[in-house]
Amino acid sequence: QQQVRQSSQSLTVWEGETAILNCSYENSAFDYFPWYQQFPGEGPALLIAIRSVSDKKEDGRFTIFFNKREKNLSLHIKDSQPGDSATYFCAASWNYNQGKLIFGQGTKLSIKP
Amino acid sequence: GPKVLQIPSHQIIDMGQMVTLNCDPVSNHLYFYWYKQILGQQMEFLVNFYNGKVMEKSKLFKDQFSVERPDGSYFTLKIQPTALEDSAVYFCASSPTGGSQNTLYFGAGTRLSVL
Repeated sequence: QQQVRQSSQSLTVWEGETAILNCSYENSAFDYFPWYQQFPGEGPALLIAIRSVSDKKEDGRFTIFFNKREKNLSLHIKDSQPGDSATYFCAASWNYNQGKLIFGQGTKLSIKP
Repeated sequence: GPKVLQIPSHQIIDMGQMVTLNCDPVSNHLYFYWYKQILGQQMEFLVNFYNGKVMEKSKLFKDQFSVERPDGSYFTLKIQPTALEDSAVYFCASSPTGGSQNTLYFGAGTRLSVL
């Protein structure tokens, strides 16, 4: 059962554009949604995260928009750079789960210069 | 930032043999995890480990799997015996605390190929 789903396996945008990566989930009990960024040959690294009590979280060029009613969220990368080319994983977790994350399949983002 | 090291990066093994995957977690972290990613699929939780004990394991954590961290050394995942369906990338992670909102620090993964 795919509890966390990312709508695109891959996405290509031009340098300077805003990249939008979409994610949806099924379990209403999820209350924490981190996005992890992974470069080739490296492990995933936490990029930005949001709790379900918020509808927006911003950190520099990265913003998460969260819609609890629709059970979806999106990661916006403003002014995208070639160095943002990576695979982005949406994940979810819930209280008392001891750090167990449910991951989406990932979206491979390519930024064209 | 803090690094989790996984050794080796690629392991090839014959079906039925034993394999041990090694993980060197971040030094002051207390919680440890293994995730499994089959090619083309999402990463899936296998097990978490704290204070010398398994806290939770998923249905993917078969009886042939075991984890330990003897005397603060490597955090290991042992598979004995291996099966063809164990072929995957195994990611180790660690975190300083438990709870639902802690940051997990992942290693680069060990690609296990069972022939």
